[in-house]
Amino acid sequence: ETGVTQTPRHLVMGMTNKKSLKCEQHLGHNAMYWYKQSAKKPLELMFVYSLEERVENNSVPSRFSPECPNSSHLFLHLHTLQPEDSALYLCASSLDQGNSYEQYFGPGTRLTVT
Amino acid sequence: LAKTTQPISMDSYEGQEVNITCSHNNIATNDYITWYQQFPSQGPRFIIQGYKTKVTNEVASLFIPADRKSSTLSLPRVSLSDTAVYYCLVGDGDTGFQKLVFGTGTRLLVSP
Repeated sequence: ETGVTQTPRHLVMGMTNKKSLKCEQHLGHNAMYWYKQSAKKPLELMFVYSLEERVENNSVPSRFSPECPNSSHLFLHLHTLQPEDSALYLCASSLDQGNSYEQYFGPGTRLTVT
Repeated sequence: LAKTTQPISMDSYEGQEVNITCSHNNIATNDYITWYQQFPSQGPRFIIQGYKTKVTNEVASLFIPADRKSSTLSLPRVSLSDTAVYYCLVGDGDTGFQKLVFGTGTRLLVSP
């Protein structure tokens, strides 16, 4: 238990569906992240929020839309996804301390797009 | 982007010490070196972080030479449960923000 929870843990959706992934951290951190991990590929950073402001967006397709309403919650809204978007989506949080890279990850949401 | 190079895989036996070395030639002056462990279908878990010389905690030690272009994660007396993928990360030398750039990691297999 890392103090970062994600729901749902598993999600199957069609290409025309709209769904949202939720992440919540109970660590008092002020930065939150979304990562994507596809089979046999390294983790890819998608979005970074610091103090509820988006500070990084790694050229992610617009069918992924993040939302950070407060420092404890992070959402990833999904619409019109493609089968290649099937992956493990991981949320993480940290204290925004400049050059420290100690992040705490949630268990992930296993997404399958059919 | 900062890049790291690690062995793709390593094998060990229970009770042995395992040392995983990572090279990171493009590390920025103020960046830390961080190691994570990941089990299948789980998020990575922070193990240890250091800036220079040696850092030790309850699970591992991290050795960093003076030029900081490499680092070695040392796991003392590994057990079967240490079988996992280990990632070495450094900051992005260009942006400096907390941008973790994961490589392919080192897959450690511990056998009885």
